[in-house]
Amino acid sequence: DGGITQSPKYLFRKEGQNVTLSCEQNLNHDAMYWYRQDPGQGLRLIYYSQIVNDFQKGDIAEGYSVSREKKESFPLTVTSAQKNPTAFYLCASSISGGWDQPQHFGDGTRLSIL
Amino acid sequence: QKEVEQDPGPLSVPEGAIVSLNCTYSNSAFQYFMWYRQYSRKGPELLMYTYSSGNKEDGRFTAQVDKSSKYISLFIRDSQPSDSATYLCAMRWTTDSWGKFQFGAGTQVVVTP
Repeated sequence: DGGITQSPKYLFRKEGQNVTLSCEQNLNHDAMYWYRQDPGQGLRLIYYSQIVNDFQKGDIAEGYSVSREKKESFPLTVTSAQKNPTAFYLCASSISGGWDQPQHFGDGTRLSIL
Repeated sequence: QKEVEQDPGPLSVPEGAIVSLNCTYSNSAFQYFMWYRQYSRKGPELLMYTYSSGNKEDGRFTAQVDKSSKYISLFIRDSQPSDSATYLCAMRWTTDSWGKFQFGAGTQVVVTP
């Protein structure tokens, strides 16, 4: 079955540590996205990528980094510079980055601070 | 003021009732509207999307868009306990080839047997 796989489901970060969240899709989609979801707030865009080897900052990119070396993979690193990383992180993809393309989501990674 | 407003609920309805959800928005550039369903500890699942004003039906779901009032709605007929979830509205503008999504915070729905 085609879809988006995020791993791990739960992740714990120690002070000063960088952690990487995995996102893999087998939908052959060009565009991929990372969102952060906090209680009572809408999804907020961290980074997005419309094609391989290209990505752009979203609204809350500070303290995060990404890479897009392969079409199917878009890992997110939460760096120690992100002072409030506890949240539910969602990866999404769409056929293209065009405005008329809906996004499809993975099942998320919940990141907590130890 | 948030660009997209959505009542957080919870909205509790008895099984078989119609669930009525809505979002208001402030940016008239939004042209593409979506509804997602999100179960606890899961990612959002796309339910419906539409570009135009008026109604769009898909099974038990009806999406309604009123661009003049900047208001969108989702109706769920014959609600089931399995419809208990958080419903997110999302919208996108089209001023350039890359259209940024804006999400509502979600409305929690509880359908009681």
